[in-house]
Amino acid sequence: EPEVTQTPSHQVTQMGQEVILRCVPISNHLYFYWYRQILGQKVEFLVSFYNNEISEKSEIFDDQFSVERPDGSNFTLKIRSTKLEDSAMYFCASTPRGGSYEQYFGPGTRLTVT
Amino acid sequence: AQSVTQPDIHITVSEGASLELRCNYSYGATPYLFWYVQSPGQGLQLLLKYFSGDTLVQGIKGFEAEFKRSQSSFNLRKPSVHWSDAAEYFCAVPRPAGNTGKLIFGQGTTLQVKP
Repeated sequence: EPEVTQTPSHQVTQMGQEVILRCVPISNHLYFYWYRQILGQKVEFLVSFYNNEISEKSEIFDDQFSVERPDGSNFTLKIRSTKLEDSAMYFCASTPRGGSYEQYFGPGTRLTVT
Repeated sequence: AQSVTQPDIHITVSEGASLELRCNYSYGATPYLFWYVQSPGQGLQLLLKYFSGDTLVQGIKGFEAEFKRSQSSFNLRKPSVHWSDAAEYFCAVPRPAGNTGKLIFGQGTTLQVKP
């Protein structure tokens, strides 16, 4: 069964460093999402992406964040200058069409900023 | 404010006992509704979903949920819990319902299963 994959599973970085989290969505999916979950808190939406542009972004998704689909398979989340409060589990998700259909989640990348 | 609420942060049940996890939403129109499960160290897996029609929906792993418009609820149930059901459970609503459909999650309920 097709699945969303994410790499790395765990990333440790120093404050101020840039990180890129990678996701490979399911191949025939069209809508892509990033969510994050700070330890002990609920899952929060960061950004959605369709047709090579951002569809919607949350207040969390400030200028330090960017997303890209550099080729036909990868979907990346970049944090330019990490802060301690960026430490969280980051989930990528994809769906074959937008508007209330099932989102398929990857296993997540745990980002630890020291 | 529009939200999804899971009143129970932590629930402990004995293996073989029945389970009900609560979810309430505060959206005006009938929303689409999802339940996801997150096992330790794993991603989020869809258990079941409600779009329209029959208000009692069946999902994977023996779970079911009932949509009650009058109570703005979508509670998750299982008649007999197994130790492998220990996990965190999230209720979610896509918003806007007909657009990008970003998921708004409840706080989550952690289920512990006693032997």
